[in-house]
Amino acid sequence: DTGVSQNPRHKITKRGQNVTFRCDPISEHNRLYWYRQTLGQGPEFLTYFQNEAQLEKSRLLSDRFSAERPKGSFSTLEIQRTEQGDSAMYLCASSAYRGNSPLHFGNGTRLTVT
Amino acid sequence: AQSVTQLDSHVSVSEGTPVLLRCNYSSSYSPSLFWYVQHPNKGLQLLLKYTSAATLVKGINGFEAEFKKSETSFHLTKPSAHMSDAAEYFCVVSPNAGGTSYGKLTFGQGTILTVHP
Repeated sequence: DTGVSQNPRHKITKRGQNVTFRCDPISEHNRLYWYRQTLGQGPEFLTYFQNEAQLEKSRLLSDRFSAERPKGSFSTLEIQRTEQGDSAMYLCASSAYRGNSPLHFGNGTRLTVT
Repeated sequence: AQSVTQLDSHVSVSEGTPVLLRCNYSSSYSPSLFWYVQHPNKGLQLLLKYTSAATLVKGINGFEAEFKKSETSFHLTKPSAHMSDAAEYFCVVSPNAGGTSYGKLTFGQGTILTVHP
């Protein structure tokens, strides 16, 4: 069990640029989640996948955000035309598909939009 | 709908004294409840979880929490604080464990625990 891996750890970008983050879940986990955490707040749910299917999206996920999990393994989260309000920690988590399996979180990608 | 309220944004204790981090929840369903800890520059780590079994739940590092349905509370305690416990703690609620929305966690605002020597 190597844990949930996220890359990059930090990303600084200029407003208006596109960014993409990657998440590699624990290998046997078929559920994958994206959360966003802003300074001083708890993480907020963005979206989740079961295998390659995106089953739910939060209203926080505007049309500038897109997440994919093409082969049911790693996932990418892309933000187009970044805005300063997108600055946050983006967290990925995975879990097994068993009723009360806990989520295992990665260390996150910290995005700073200047 | 579900929500979580952590009653203290900061708690400060001396090493060796008890820790109490307070959490109240609201849920339309019979919830699952969790406490996660986040150390600086580290990922969220699960401390313990309640999923409708025993109401007193023991977790890692000597922490435990008691589910009180009548009070809609899930307070986190530890008998004796250690310097390494200094971190941010999140109380978390999830819909019923068997539901399709499991994993759509609702986090509290967090409580920063400071431990003084």
